[in-house]
Amino acid sequence: AQSVTQLDSQVPVFEEAPVELRCNYSSSVSVYLFWYVQYPNQGLQLLLKYLSGSTLVKGINGFEAEFNKSQTSFHLRKPSVHISDTAEYFCAVSLGGSNYKLTFGKGTLLTVNP
Amino acid sequence: NAGVMQNPRHLVRRRGQEARLRCSPMKGHSHVYWYRQLPEEGLKFMVYLQKENIIDESGMPKERFSAEFPKEGPSILRIQQVVRGDSAAYFCASSPLGFYNSPLHFGNGTRLTVT
Repeated sequence: AQSVTQLDSQVPVFEEAPVELRCNYSSSVSVYLFWYVQYPNQGLQLLLKYLSGSTLVKGINGFEAEFNKSQTSFHLRKPSVHISDTAEYFCAVSLGGSNYKLTFGKGTLLTVNP
Repeated sequence: NAGVMQNPRHLVRRRGQEARLRCSPMKGHSHVYWYRQLPEEGLKFMVYLQKENIIDESGMPKERFSAEFPKEGPSILRIQQVVRGDSAAYFCASSPLGFYNSPLHFGNGTRLTVT
């Protein structure tokens, strides 16, 4: 069975600073990888996804993530954050090509301070 | 184009009562998924439905929980005889095709509190 580990439960940063949110997964088969964002009292919004192809994936709002198969990681990055990026970020994995069941990490709360 | 609509947004039930959560998928979507988010946890898959069919309910607790997606109307997640451990956020998602062709679109969730 696959699992997802988000290494940081909270990440505080200052506005305009770069940020990296870490995600590692475990799976014995190929996977699809996703990052979702959840703003307070809202549902999850897809930021970006990796299905195949280029390991560097660009998403909405200036976020990007890099798939590293050897390190089984899919870290999320943004070069300069805004206060509006304050939210909970979830990494998720599904078994590639065959599974609709997403396995989510516990989330990382990103707090951007002025 | 409205997104996935869930209601109510907040639901309070006493122990032993029934909770009914509703989900209307995005227009044109025929696949519905229910997920549960317990406090301090990530979302966990519960059930996958298409119109009038349960495709996969492997994530549903064996007792008290049921789900349906009738030919007409919203999908319903029903929890009978609720207990405090059922307090969570319940999210519905939908997609137009098989999952690997399109990502899931999530609703804003129903936050169930059992007192």
